[in-house]
Amino acid sequence: EAEVAQSPRYKITEKSQAVAFWCDPISGHATLYWYRQILGQGPELLVQFQDESVVDDSQLPKDRFSAERLKGVDSTLKIQPAELGDSAMYLCASSLEEGTDTQYFGPGTRLTVL
Amino acid sequence: EDQVTQSPEALRLQEGESSSLNCSYTVSGLRGLFWYRQDPGKGPEFLFTLYSAGEEKEKERLKATLTKKESFLHITAPKPEDSATYLCAVRRWGGYNFNKFYFGSGTKLNVKP
Repeated sequence: EAEVAQSPRYKITEKSQAVAFWCDPISGHATLYWYRQILGQGPELLVQFQDESVVDDSQLPKDRFSAERLKGVDSTLKIQPAELGDSAMYLCASSLEEGTDTQYFGPGTRLTVL
Repeated sequence: EDQVTQSPEALRLQEGESSSLNCSYTVSGLRGLFWYRQDPGKGPEFLFTLYSAGEEKEKERLKATLTKKESFLHITAPKPEDSATYLCAVRRWGGYNFNKFYFGSGTKLNVKP
């Protein structure tokens, strides 16, 4: 069964350092989402791509976060510099097309900022 | 303001003890309500989508229902393997050809044998 891949699974960094997360969606999925999930809360959408284009980044803290999906396939989310409050699970999800029912989530990257 | 509220935050059941989880929402132009299951340290797993009031969907011991302001996830005769966090999410039109999703904080279910 096809799955969304994410790496690394765990990342520990010091504040003010740069970190990057990678996501490979299910093959053929045009829509890709990055979420942040703080422990005990639900996922919060950070950015949504349709192919290589950003369609919603209204909740992305653009002073320190950036996201790209250059060829419309895999994607990278970067934080620079990391802050203590960025400690969370970063989830990637994909769906076949924008508006289809099912978002398939990857296993997530657990970020700890010291 | 778009909002999704889930209750209770945590629920402890004995195996076989049926119960319901609640998801209430305030969103204009609902375009679907979603239920997900999330195991510790993993990403959410899709369970159901509901579109209109009165709609019901079932999967094994789970049944999801939808009214105009809330959704219920009914768990019948739960087993320990049903222990997980259950997340509710709503989708509405975000404008300019995309949808916006809002998740609740989840209900953490613990089923004791």
